[in-house]
Amino acid sequence: DQQVKQNSPSLSVQEGRISILNCDYTNSMFDYFLWYKKYPAEGPTFLISISSIKDKNEDGRFTVFLNKSAKHLSLHIVPSQPGDSAVYFCAASGNQFYFGTGTSLTVIP
Amino acid sequence: KAGVTQTPRYLIKTRGQQVTLSCSPISGHRSVSWYQQTPGQGLQFLFEYFSETQRNKGNFPGRFSGRQFSNSRSEMNVSTLELGDSALYLCASSFGSDRSTDTQYFGPGTRLTVL
Repeated sequence: DQQVKQNSPSLSVQEGRISILNCDYTNSMFDYFLWYKKYPAEGPTFLISISSIKDKNEDGRFTVFLNKSAKHLSLHIVPSQPGDSAVYFCAASGNQFYFGTGTSLTVIP
Repeated sequence: KAGVTQTPRYLIKTRGQQVTLSCSPISGHRSVSWYQQTPGQGLQFLFEYFSETQRNKGNFPGRFSGRQFSNSRSEMNVSTLELGDSALYLCASSFGSDRSTDTQYFGPGTRLTVL
């Protein structure tokens, strides 16, 4: 049973534009959410997180939004750069960490 | 501060053999989790160890086992390897004491190929 879902397997965006990656979860008990970036043949790298007591967290070009009522979070990357091309995983913390299946982002120069 | 290290980085085995993978967490981290990633799949949770005790376990057969030592280093063992066990095995460490703020940091992974 997939408790964290990323319904878009891939996304293509022009360099300089905004990238929006989406994630849905089913368990309302999750109280901490994270985004990771992964290049091929490497381990995921932590990007940004958000606690359930907040609805927004920013770190440079990356902003995560949390909508608890909709059980939805999103990662915004502005402006998108070619080096952002990677697979992005969202995760939720419960009794363990639950990961989505990932969204492959391609930023076109 | 040194990151999570995993050894070996690459491994080739044949069906029926067994394999042991090693993970050294970030200093001060007491939780180590293991994940399997196969093409097209997300991160499949194997198990988590915290202070030498298995705290959580995913839906994998008993051929997959692990342990954690007093210095928080962890090993994962897969016995009677099958072709389907070919994957990237990832280890992640965290402080593990407060889930509402706990962040996992990943190692580079061990690429296991079963022939």
